[in-house]
Parts: sequence; structure tokens; C-alpha cells
Amino acid sequence: DAKTTQPPSMDCAEGRAANLPCNHSTISGNEYVYWYRQIHSQGPQYIIHGLKNNETNEMASLIITEDRKSSTLILPHATLRDTAVYYCIVRVFYGGATNKLIFGTGTLLAVQP
Amino acid sequence: DAGVTQSPTHLIKTRGQQVTLRCSPKSGHDTVSWYQQALGQGPQFIFQYYEEEERQRGNFPDRFSGHQFPNYSSELNVNALLLGDSALYLCASSYALAESSGNTIYFGEGSWLTVV
Repeated sequence: DAKTTQPPSMDCAEGRAANLPCNHSTISGNEYVYWYRQIHSQGPQYIIHGLKNNETNEMASLIITEDRKSSTLILPHATLRDTAVYYCIVRVFYGGATNKLIFGTGTLLAVQP
Repeated sequence: DAGVTQSPTHLIKTRGQQVTLRCSPKSGHDTVSWYQQALGQGPQFIFQYYEEEERQRGNFPDRFSGHQFPNYSSELNVNALLLGDSALYLCASSYALAESSGNTIYFGEGSWLTVV
């Protein structure tokens, strides 16, 4: 069922950009890529999502390759509070509104002072 | 505007017992999904409810059942608890869309279940 693969951990210096990669080589044409993060096993926090085009919001940017087989989440200026597990997720649709999120194993991002 | 709320936040049960977890979706959301997250792993999809019906189910046994009420709130029931059911149970809500589309899905803080 796994649709995404991520590195288990990454480090980033405070104030620098954090670039988190994700592979989703089996993604289908109508399946979206979502990114969430989870801090200390709280509920996952939504970051961003996209289908084909690059997306940007106040938290992050999402870069999706043209073949859609991989993507990168960019946190432009990482702070200590960005230390968390980041999940790259594929949203699968089954017709109409029925859908589910398939989580990867996540990347533990450690922002260093 | 309250987000997704879940109760209880923590509970301890004995093997063989039954448990009910509750979820109130974000205001206006009509679709609720449940996920199980074992320690150190990513969340796993249990099932999704829309219009008071189970619409999609993950790879979980029939011991896991649910319900959605007319006000869109939902319950997750687990019977004959096993030690392996110990996990964080997450509720997620969203608007249903007529066509496959992307929208934001919101998660609650979860219910920590420990089975002893």
C-alpha cells in the first residue's frame, strides 16, 4: 500500500532553507501529494498539497517534478519550532468523494541552532 | 471556530474489553476518517464515513467499527481489545467534494489508547 518513500532523518541549520525530498513513483494521475507534520505525537498539522503545479503558501513551497514521480517540500527559513516529523502523503480517490490518505514513514527534521 | 475535537485524550483498557472513541469534525465538515498510529509509525487508514455510511475501509478487522451521526460527528468502536491495538487514534475531517479534488483535511489531537 506504501506510495511514498522519504529519508528517515535530516538536519537543517536555523534560518536556512530545509528541503525535504519524497519519491512517489507509482502515483496515479488524479492522486494529490500532501504534506503534514507532526510534533511530539500531536495530531498531524497540514502544510501544503498539490497535483501537478508547484504550490506556495505562508508555510512552505511544494515542488513537483514534471513526471510527478517525486516532490520536494521547502521550508524557506527553518526555525527551531519546525523540528518535527514531516510526512509526504498521497491522497487516493475511489470515486466521488471517497478517498484516503496513504502516509509514508516520515522524515524527522531536526533544526539545529 | 473549533477544529476537530476528539475524546477522550487518554485511556487505558484491559485485553478483551471494548472501547469507544469520539470525534467532532471541524464546523461544516461532513466527512470523517479514522486513522491508527502505532508508536514510531505513520498513521494507517481505518475507514471513512460520509452521509452516515462507511464509504471506504482500510486493512482492519471487523473488530473495528464506526458510526456517523446526523450532525456529522463520529464514533470509533473497537471490540475484543488486543495488546497490539495500543496506539494513537486520529480523526480527520473535510468537506465532501462532488468530484475528485484536493482540499484541506484537518486532524484532531488524537486519543491515546493503551491496552494492558
